[in-house]
Amino acid sequence: GAVVSQHPSRVICKSGTSVKIECRSLDFQATTMFWYRQFPKKSLMLMATSNEGSKATYEQGVEKDKFLINHASLTLSTLTVTSAHPEDSSFYICSARAEQTNTEAFFGQGTRLTVV
Amino acid sequence: GQNIDQPTEMTATEGAIVQINCTYQTSGFNGLFWYQQHAGEAPTFLSYNVLDGLEEKGRFSSFLSRSKGYSYLLLKELQMKDSASYLCAVRKTDSWGKLQFGAGTQVVVTP
Repeated sequence: GAVVSQHPSRVICKSGTSVKIECRSLDFQATTMFWYRQFPKKSLMLMATSNEGSKATYEQGVEKDKFLINHASLTLSTLTVTSAHPEDSSFYICSARAEQTNTEAFFGQGTRLTVV
Repeated sequence: GQNIDQPTEMTATEGAIVQINCTYQTSGFNGLFWYQQHAGEAPTFLSYNVLDGLEEKGRFSSFLSRSKGYSYLLLKELQMKDSASYLCAVRKTDSWGKLQFGAGTQVVVTP
């Protein structure tokens, strides 16, 4: 099946710094990728839709200047958490759409971000 | 928006059967997915239903009733490794690829 690789799997950063998370589709081209956020024991909340070659579409309540998304190629989308604060600590997961398949989106391994 | 409801937690013994219900309210329904998620890991795909009826895949089966806005995931012959969170997710016709997730059901399998 299709593989989506997310990096890093864990990151600890200081308040005020920025962190970049990468999401790569390894064996298919993904014109669209999705970024989710998950708090402990909560479900995944869609943050934004990343479109190759155009601006990302953010869900209501998600600050686009806080969570910068870049989808510069058909295999890579990046999420940058800018000026991170402890409340940004969460599990971030990307997924990639592999055309119109019934198995829908393939998920990356997730990134555990801890802001101290 | 849409509401997706599923129980918070269920406990069952090894070898037993557990049924996880999911109800949803949405316009433009275009499929319901079930994912399994172990703590600290990304979700893994289990099943997909878009038409009414039962889809069986090994020990796991999923059922959908579109008219009732209802689905269930049936886990048979439970194993300890099945202890995980099970997420119900809905796709809308205008958002291919975007999924709206329920809060998840934590299944605890006991010896």
